[in-house]
Amino acid sequence: EVQLMESGGGLVQPGGSLRLSCAASGFTFSSYAMRWVRQAPGRGLEWVSAITGSDGTTDYADAVKGRFTISRDNSKNTMYLQMNSLRAEDTAIYYCAKRTFTVRTGIHYYYMDVWGKGTTVTVSS
Amino acid sequence: DIQMTQSPSSLSAFVGDRVTITCRASQSIGSYLNWYQQKPGKAPKLLIYGASSLQSGVPSRFSGSGSGTDFTLTITTLQPEDFATYSCQQSYNIPYTFGQGTKLEV
Repeated sequence: EVQLMESGGGLVQPGGSLRLSCAASGFTFSSYAMRWVRQAPGRGLEWVSAITGSDGTTDYADAVKGRFTISRDNSKNTMYLQMNSLRAEDTAIYYCAKRTFTVRTGIHYYYMDVWGKGTTVTVSS
Repeated sequence: DIQMTQSPSSLSAFVGDRVTITCRASQSIGSYLNWYQQKPGKAPKLLIYGASSLQSGVPSRFSGSGSGTDFTLTITTLQPEDFATYSCQQSYNIPYTFGQGTKLEV
């Protein structure tokens, strides 16, 4: 069974740091790009960061650029999100998701087909 | 950034109804549009990708259409388990923005 499991969330003071982990199982982890998506209380979903499967190319939302670092260890089937200089507005449930694609009429369509249950990050003094 | 706007923000319906949710992109995104369903306390679940392709295992009462800037998610014959929040997401370019969500209530 394909599964993702996040861990590492918790309560942290403004300016503090946390490292989230996403453990993958049931698929060839290194073959897939992965993403972090968050959801603040009562708000919609927000894409945070992405990393490719093999060469580890990364992308970030402007809101976290320079403060968050996404990485992966394919030997451990695990993705990480290092979060520094945390702010109250980073309070959210953080989900990791597996990105895949389907080719239709020669076009690659990308989507997140498997999600973890999420881990909660609370930034408060 | 591409802005994704859903309407309505909330919707009341009955079991057995047909409902349509609209998603509009601030610029053309071709068919790079995905739909997710989310229930309280749960992770999002993929329903539709590429604007109109049904994800494996998703009931056929769900369908998606549209291209360019205007998209719809249609649910025919609502079932009790369909009451949830639905979000669209563009996969055209970074950042891969979501709509604000549409809460479907009984």
